[in-house]
Amino acid sequence: LAKTTQPISMDSYEGQEVNITCSHNNIATNDYITWYQQFPSQGPRFIIQGYKTKVTNEVASLFIPADRKSSTLSLPRVSLSDTAVYYCLVKRNQGGKLIFGQGTELSVKP
Amino acid sequence: SAVISQKPSRDICQRGTSLTIQCQVDSQVTMMFWYRQQPGQSLTLIATANQGSEATYESGFVIDKFPISRPNLTFSTLTVSNMSPEDSSIYLCSVPDRAFVETQYFGPGTRLLVL
Repeated sequence: LAKTTQPISMDSYEGQEVNITCSHNNIATNDYITWYQQFPSQGPRFIIQGYKTKVTNEVASLFIPADRKSSTLSLPRVSLSDTAVYYCLVKRNQGGKLIFGQGTELSVKP
Repeated sequence: SAVISQKPSRDICQRGTSLTIQCQVDSQVTMMFWYRQQPGQSLTLIATANQGSEATYESGFVIDKFPISRPNLTFSTLTVSNMSPEDSSIYLCSVPDRAFVETQYFGPGTRLLVL
């Protein structure tokens, strides 16, 4: 599975757009890019998944360039409740298991 | 989606003892996963529990230390055996979405402190 690299931490203010970039240089053709969110004292929660170009849902957008060696999770107009750790995973259908990297700890301030 | 519950939610145990953690899912699933999250760290996969077969352990985890049961398609247990303070962690179970196996749902976790 491709290794992922993302910033350890980020700070933001309420109402701002936050972009978290993840590098996955060794991504394979069959790999998908998946992002999870984890609040303190809770299990991770699926946010979004994509293969190429752009994916958008009610929570976030995911931008994936043509070479797929990186991806950017975009959170529009963050609020204090978006303070969490965000994990970028490169996922191949290997029996469904997920391999988590370090994650990015996002802190949203008032 | 799937709703997952875990018992106990937290526990404080003495070294040398064992604790069994239960994971209950509200629907039948073939695969269940057990993870460990040490303080301030990311999640590490312990094993995959398939109903009707032995669990598959990841590198660094062994059955003697973390025996797993999977008696049916909605339930699994993980036992942390002969505990030491290094076993203090949050233990989480998860199951894949029925339609999209790349997506997983996680339980709330069991917070374990070993003294």
